[in-house]
Amino acid sequence: QLQLQESGPGLVKPSETLSLTCSISDGSISSSDYFWAWIRQPPGKGLEWVGTIHYNGNTYYKPSLKSRLTISIDTSKIQFSLNLRSATAADTAVYYCARWRSTTYCYDYWGQGTLVAVSS
Amino acid sequence: EIVLTQSPGTLSLSPGERATLSCRASQSVSSSSLAWYQQKPGQAPRLVIYGASSRASGIPDRFSGGGSGTDFTLTISRLEPEDSAVYYCQQYRDIFGQGTKLEIK
Repeated sequence: QLQLQESGPGLVKPSETLSLTCSISDGSISSSDYFWAWIRQPPGKGLEWVGTIHYNGNTYYKPSLKSRLTISIDTSKIQFSLNLRSATAADTAVYYCARWRSTTYCYDYWGQGTLVAVSS
Repeated sequence: EIVLTQSPGTLSLSPGERATLSCRASQSVSSSSLAWYQQKPGQAPRLVIYGASSRASGIPDRFSGGGSGTDFTLTISRLEPEDSAVYYCQQYRDIFGQGTKLEIK
């Protein structure tokens, strides 16, 4: 059973960089069938796709975040990361990492989520 | 940009009843790219249906999905208290509906 685990600071100051890492329990990170995503959920609100990366390095970002966002992948460490620069209170959310299966166009595995608050 | 609109916003039903949740796309989408997720309070979303009508692993056969083009439905027959959750539809990689809250009275 694949497991994904988010890690990173739970509190970020405004204007600083929000950084998270997702650790993956198996080697599927290097499979061409899967993409790796960050999805967030502001308190009391719905799900919002943030961005996605493939092991070959191709990235796909939410247009409104593109100027502040970098998603990277490290297949040797079996993990991928999110960096969101110039964070504001609007970035406060539970951040989930998830695996997107390209053969069936769905997120089949999710991390448990980590709450990141942007506040001074 | 495709927008997914879910209805109703909240659905309150009794155990044993049938729930029908709707997801409408702003333009026609491929059925193969439409999925449904269940999210309980404090938990990550869980895949329920993919490809509009295929049940994910471990999902009871009380859950079924259907539809095509712009209109899709998630049906839960014989509701149980554990089905209380917010249900989201999702298209391709980046589009989520706003969710339907299902309450079991």
